[in-house]
Amino acid sequence: DQQVKQNSPSLSVQEGRISILNCDYTNSMFDYFLWYKKYPAEGPTFLISISSIKDKNEDGRFTVFLNKSAKHLSLHIVPSQPGDSAVYFCAASRNTNAGKSTFGDGTTLTVKP
Amino acid sequence: KAGVTQTPRYLIKTRGQQVTLSCSPISGHRSVSWYQQTPGQGLQFLFEYFSETQRNKGNFPGRFSGRQFSNSRSEMNVSTLELGDSALYLCASSLGGRGQETQYFGPGTRLLVL
Repeated sequence: DQQVKQNSPSLSVQEGRISILNCDYTNSMFDYFLWYKKYPAEGPTFLISISSIKDKNEDGRFTVFLNKSAKHLSLHIVPSQPGDSAVYFCAASRNTNAGKSTFGDGTTLTVKP
Repeated sequence: KAGVTQTPRYLIKTRGQQVTLSCSPISGHRSVSWYQQTPGQGLQFLFEYFSETQRNKGNFPGRFSGRQFSNSRSEMNVSTLELGDSALYLCASSLGGRGQETQYFGPGTRLLVL
């Protein structure tokens, strides 16, 4: 039972446009959600997070939206840049289990110049 | 602050051998978690250590074990290696409280089992 799902294995966008990456989860006990970016041969780099008490969090070009009723979150990157090309992982954890995050399978984003 | 470091970065072993991987967390972080990433897969949680005790465990066989030292450094051991153990092993550290915390990852150790 995969509790965190990223249904789009890949996404391609033009430089300057918006990239929207989606993530669905099934466990209603999750209360903290994170997005990581990963380049080949490197560990994931933390991008942005959101607590379940919020529905939006912004950091520069990155915005994460959380829809708890739909158990859905999304990452918006505006404007997209070629350097954003990487694999993006969605992760979720529980307040009482912070050391254990559950990850999606990742979405490969390609930003074309 | 220095980030999470992992050694070695690359390793080649043969089936049946055992391997030990090392992870040094960010200074002040007391929680260390280990994850396995295989090609095309997300990160699978192995276990978490906090204050030298295993606090969480994923669904991996007993061949996978770990430990944490008093300085929060952690080691992961895999015994009787199988071909399917070839993967990127990632270590992540966090402060270790029970609140909503962000885990920070090291560069990983890429293990190839022949």
